[in-house]
Amino acid sequence: QQQVKQSPQSLIVQKGGISIINCAYENTAFDYFPWYQQFPGKGPALLIAIRPDVSEKKEGRFTISFNKSAKQFSLHIMDSQPGDSATYFCAASGRNDYKLSFGAGTTVTVRA
Amino acid sequence: DTEVTQTPKHLVMGMTNKKSLKCEQHMGHRAMYWYKQKAKKPPELMFVYSYEKLSINESVPSRFSPECPNSSLLNLHLHALQPEDSALYLCASSQVSRISVTGELFFGEGSRLTVL
Repeated sequence: QQQVKQSPQSLIVQKGGISIINCAYENTAFDYFPWYQQFPGKGPALLIAIRPDVSEKKEGRFTISFNKSAKQFSLHIMDSQPGDSATYFCAASGRNDYKLSFGAGTTVTVRA
Repeated sequence: DTEVTQTPKHLVMGMTNKKSLKCEQHMGHRAMYWYKQKAKKPPELMFVYSYEKLSINESVPSRFSPECPNSSLLNLHLHALQPEDSALYLCASSQVSRISVTGELFFGEGSRLTVL
């Protein structure tokens, strides 16, 4: 079964708006939570990642919020730009675990 | 150099053909991965090599045969594939140590495989 649940499946946002993608997990052994961005015809690329010892991490316009007690984490894209239009995957893995459990993905479309 | 290079970018093969996908990285990473990705789906792990040894095989059919000739190269040999094997095959690498394996995955652009 899917170990990381991601929503929404897709979203459309106006340029300058905020995109929010949510993920939830069950496995309390997970301790690494990356977000990958994938453009059509390209491989995924790491956008930002967080470990459970912090509740928030910000890199430029991208912020991860992490709620350990709720077993949820989310990606916020501030001031969304057309160049942010892509598919975003959340993921999780445990310590010393080669395997990443990916969410189903969210297709973000930013309208100019 | 932070690239993972995959060849070929596109491959069309018949069900009786034998072909290979190749992957190369020069970042000194000692873990290399093959993933399969269908349209609008997340990548699915197939194989992991760590220090040139096969560490994980996710119950992949034997018509897919991985090979890690050295720490920079990873191959995926294909034989007697089925049309449902058509997908984007992604290679990735990551830095590992003998005591820790979690870290950033660097993906290549993928090889788009079509099986007729």
